[in-house]
Amino acid sequence: GQNIDQPTEMTATEGAIVQINCTYQTSGFNGLFWYQQHAGEAPTFLSYNVLDGLEEKGRFSSFLSRSKGYSYLLLKELQMKDSASYLCAPLDSNYQLIWGAGTKLIIKP
Amino acid sequence: IAGITQAPTSQILAAGRRMTLRCTQDMRHNAMYWYRQDLGLGLRLIHYSNTAGTTGKGEVPDGYSVSRANTDDFPLTLASAVPSQTSVYFCASSEGTSGGRGEQFFGPGTRLTVL
Repeated sequence: GQNIDQPTEMTATEGAIVQINCTYQTSGFNGLFWYQQHAGEAPTFLSYNVLDGLEEKGRFSSFLSRSKGYSYLLLKELQMKDSASYLCAPLDSNYQLIWGAGTKLIIKP
Repeated sequence: IAGITQAPTSQILAAGRRMTLRCTQDMRHNAMYWYRQDLGLGLRLIHYSNTAGTTGKGEVPDGYSVSRANTDDFPLTLASAVPSQTSVYFCASSEGTSGGRGEQFFGPGTRLTVL
């Protein structure tokens, strides 16, 4: 079956760095997305990885290891507005996104 | 219109009633999707459409139907609503499904309560 595993909740301090891990098992693989979702709002695109390695985009970076079925999202210089849920979503062999339940990130001053 | 719009924003519905959730996009995207999101669960795909005139079943299609008469509109119908269909419904679209990133853009959601 298809499965996504991410921590349910994480807490970090403003200005710090946090890493949100995601492990996945899917039928086929065509890349992995990370989305951000603020409470009561729609998910918005953060990053996409299809090859192994690190993709950096400003304060956010995403890493992929296809052989390990593993990805992480790294957030640097945390700001209060980064308080949100972060959704890991691999793309399966049918090009359908398989969504994890998300990691709720709480930022404290 | 810019992006994806959904209507209504929220709705309270009596069980057994028929309801259509509307979704319109102006990005000329080929693919469109309907998801439901429940507390503690990931987004679950209800139905999708890879291109106008075609539709497919997702993970949780029972009790829902869709149509895709044109590129822009993708309505979701609950023929006879039940309380377990209480959820937040998101419509999404993407430029394509094969190759490329397939990045999905989401509408603002419809919060549906079935009593």
